[in-house]
Amino acid sequence: GEDVEQSLFLSVREGDSSVINCTYTDSSSTYLYWYKQEPGAGLQLLTYIFSNMDMKQDQRLTVLLNKKDKHLSLRIADTQTGDSAIYFCAESTGGYQKVTFGTGTKLQVIP
Amino acid sequence: ETGVTQTPRHLVMGMTNKKSLKCEQHLGHNAMYWYKQSAKKPLELMFVYSLEERVENNSVPSRFSPECPNSSHLFLHLHTLQPEDSALYLCASSQNLAGGHNEQFFGPGTRLTVL
Repeated sequence: GEDVEQSLFLSVREGDSSVINCTYTDSSSTYLYWYKQEPGAGLQLLTYIFSNMDMKQDQRLTVLLNKKDKHLSLRIADTQTGDSAIYFCAESTGGYQKVTFGTGTKLQVIP
Repeated sequence: ETGVTQTPRHLVMGMTNKKSLKCEQHLGHNAMYWYKQSAKKPLELMFVYSLEERVENNSVPSRFSPECPNSSHLFLHLHTLQPEDSALYLCASSQNLAGGHNEQFFGPGTRLTVL
């Protein structure tokens, strides 16, 4: 079945850039997502990219997609303490929109 | 209330207890989901409902029993659970199950501890 893998933990200093990486196995993935989960809260969609794109930028967030290597990354510029959260990578092959999530990467921002 | 709400937020139960988790969405969506979130594991899809009809049961043990009485409410009935069932249970909803981008909106979850 589909598999989405992420590292479990990332620590960065405030003001630096964070890069969270994700790999997936399903070559027919149509949409790739980044969700953010703050402590005590559910997941919230941050951004998504369609599989025919290789980059998407939204303010401090940059998503890069390497479809050949099935690699997705999320770059957060000028990381702030409020960015501390768990970031989930997810993919969907469309159809009835079953979304497969990764383990989540816990981002710790050090002041 | 707005968005997706879940009650209770925390639940401690013994292995012989019966309890229910409740989810309510105030977004006018037609699809609802139950997920299990365990530490260091991928988020696990458990059940999917579309217009109150179950469309996915992801090999979930029968000690978890979902119920969707209408498109705004989703329940997860629990009985004779095991300690390994301790996790955060997340409810989500989306507009429908059509193809294309279809954002899921999540509730804050119920933290379940089985003793």
